[in-house]
Amino acid sequence: EAGVVQSPRYKIIEKKQPVAFWCNPISGHNTLYWYLQNLGQGPELLIRYENEEAVDDSQLPKDRFSAERLKGVDSTLKIQPAELGDSAVYLCASSLASYNEQFFGPGTRLTVL
Amino acid sequence: GENVEQHPSTLSVQEGDSAVIKCTYSDSASNYFPWYKQELGKRPQLIIDIRSNVGEKKDQRIAVTLNKTAKHFSLHITETQPEDSAVYFCAASLTGTASKLTFGTGTRLQVTL
Repeated sequence: EAGVVQSPRYKIIEKKQPVAFWCNPISGHNTLYWYLQNLGQGPELLIRYENEEAVDDSQLPKDRFSAERLKGVDSTLKIQPAELGDSAVYLCASSLASYNEQFFGPGTRLTVL
Repeated sequence: GENVEQHPSTLSVQEGDSAVIKCTYSDSASNYFPWYKQELGKRPQLIIDIRSNVGEKKDQRIAVTLNKTAKHFSLHITETQPEDSAVYFCAASLTGTASKLTFGTGTRLQVTL
């Protein structure tokens, strides 16, 4: 079974530029999560989807971050414009349902110059 | 919201020795506590979890104990091997499901020969 797929794996951009990350969850997983992981820290939840509905986006900085999960499968996380402090690893995870184990993708390492 | 503290931040043990990592949480409503292992540059992977209806759970060389009264839980690794070297994260769920995980800051475990 394929795991959670994320792309790109690495991204380097200049500040004020837009950037987008893509996630394909494990087939059949209804719940999808986006996390931010700073160096030396644990993951922090940005947003959680149940199918196509964002049920928890309280930690998402909505002035510059946006996310979508059209058709309840793949998801995209966007930052516009990016700031220096956005440099981090962005992890996507999925689970069968909200009470099940979360499986993480390999992450996208973003560097903002 | 939930707050999870994790200690120590780094831990070095000799191969064959035991390693213990401790976490405390703040919200007594939390009742799901997973542990993730993250190797350098890799995705976090669930290694063991425990729910509040049990005090201990074991899986081969790994065990987790939970003290709900004191609001702390611990990861125990026995007969450590070099491949156990990684960063370990504890997490707690605020709502009793896997959906709202709050992670600790991580423990870097180094197993030396």
